[in-house]
Amino acid sequence: GAVVSQHPSWVICKSGTSVKIECRSLDFQATTMFWYRQFPKQSLMLMATSNEGSKATYEQGVEKDKFLINHASLTLSTLTVTSAHPEDSSFYICSALEGGGYGYTFGSGTRLTVV
Amino acid sequence: AQSVTQPDIHITVSEGASLELRCNYSYGATPYLFWYVQSPGQGLQLLLKYFSGDTLVQGIKGFEAEFKRSQSSFNLRKPSVHWSDAAEYFCAVGAGSGGYQKVTFGTGTKLQVIP
Repeated sequence: GAVVSQHPSWVICKSGTSVKIECRSLDFQATTMFWYRQFPKQSLMLMATSNEGSKATYEQGVEKDKFLINHASLTLSTLTVTSAHPEDSSFYICSALEGGGYGYTFGSGTRLTVV
Repeated sequence: AQSVTQPDIHITVSEGASLELRCNYSYGATPYLFWYVQSPGQGLQLLLKYFSGDTLVQGIKGFEAEFKRSQSSFNLRKPSVHWSDAAEYFCAVGAGSGGYQKVTFGTGTKLQVIP
């Protein structure tokens, strides 16, 4: 089946630094990937939709300059949290859309802690 | 815009008992519906999905769900719960066109299984 690899699983960084999270589709090409954020004991909130070769589409209230998304190839999308602050600490999950548009596969998530 | 409601935040069942998790959606057209399971600190795993056809959908791990258009519901069921089923369950609705679906998640139901 379709597999999405997300890396790293855990990251701790100092306030003010930037962190890059990678999302890879391992056995299929993903023209569209999605980035979600999940606060403790809450649901997943869509942050942005990443399209290969074009600019990401951000949801309302998500800062484009803070959460940089790059989808440079059909198998890789990256989310960079720039100038991270403690309030950015969260669980970030990506998902990739399979070719026919009917399947969403999720990565295992990245736990970001900003200290 | 579509929305999903999971009325039960927390459910406790005895091992071996039957389970039903409720999900109601709001969307103007026929939605694409999903159930995902998330173990603590992990990503999401797809249990089952409904796009069209038979309204009773079979998924992995012995789960099934029934789409009821008249009730705007997509409840998840399992006849006999195992201790390993303890996790958080998310219902989601996909809406859109052209093979692209924007997925909205419910707030989740946390399942506790007691011996």
